Amino acid sequence: GESVGLHLPTLSVQEGDNSIINCAYSNSASDYFIWYKQESGKGPQFIIDIRSNMDKRQGQRVTVLLNKTVKHLSLQIAATQPGDSAVYFCAENSDNTDKLIFGTGTRLQVFP
Amino acid sequence: KAGVTQTPRYLIKTRGQQVTLSCSPISGHRSVSWYQQTPGQGLQFLFEYFSETQRNKGNFPGRFSGRQFSNSRSEMNVSTLELGDSALYLCASSFEMNTEAFFGQGTRLTVV
Repeated sequence: GESVGLHLPTLSVQEGDNSIINCAYSNSASDYFIWYKQESGKGPQFIIDIRSNMDKRQGQRVTVLLNKTVKHLSLQIAATQPGDSAVYFCAENSDNTDKLIFGTGTRLQVFP
Repeated sequence: KAGVTQTPRYLIKTRGQQVTLSCSPISGHRSVSWYQQTPGQGLQFLFEYFSETQRNKGNFPGRFSGRQFSNSRSEMNVSTLELGDSALYLCASSFEMNTEAFFGQGTRLTVV
């Protein structure tokens, strides 16, 4: 069946270091992927997206990598800051379903 | 440009009651989708509406229903509330399906 999973439930990094959050997906038909950040008491905030015809996309301090061969998605955050502390979700979508399927989430903790 | 607005932010209901939640999408967005978020199940897709038509439905009982109006605003209704319906209900809007989806702050429903 469809599933999107995260390898690490909690990631602790030091301020200024780079963070990498990973995600595995199982639906080979998925062609659109989104990373969201959710802070306590708030709704998920769109970070960056990527379509299956790309393998890398960069934003401001964030990079998403897509490896379709092994069905793996990652979010890289450069120079991690305390404000990056949150739960990060990956989500997948395919034209077959037109709905987002979310992973379980990874909590990113940034310490000084 | 205003974001996705959900009302009310908090609700407390008793078992057996029904509830209606409202979502106003970003201006110009035609697709609205609803998700339930709980600590145990994570973010789960409820349904999606596009141009007043339900295009997708998740695996939820018939007690969960929704609709979309001509101005793209959407409501979801839960009848005969159960304790397990306590959750954060999130609405997301996008310009069209399979594109960037932006979430509201959510409605925190507590069933007692």
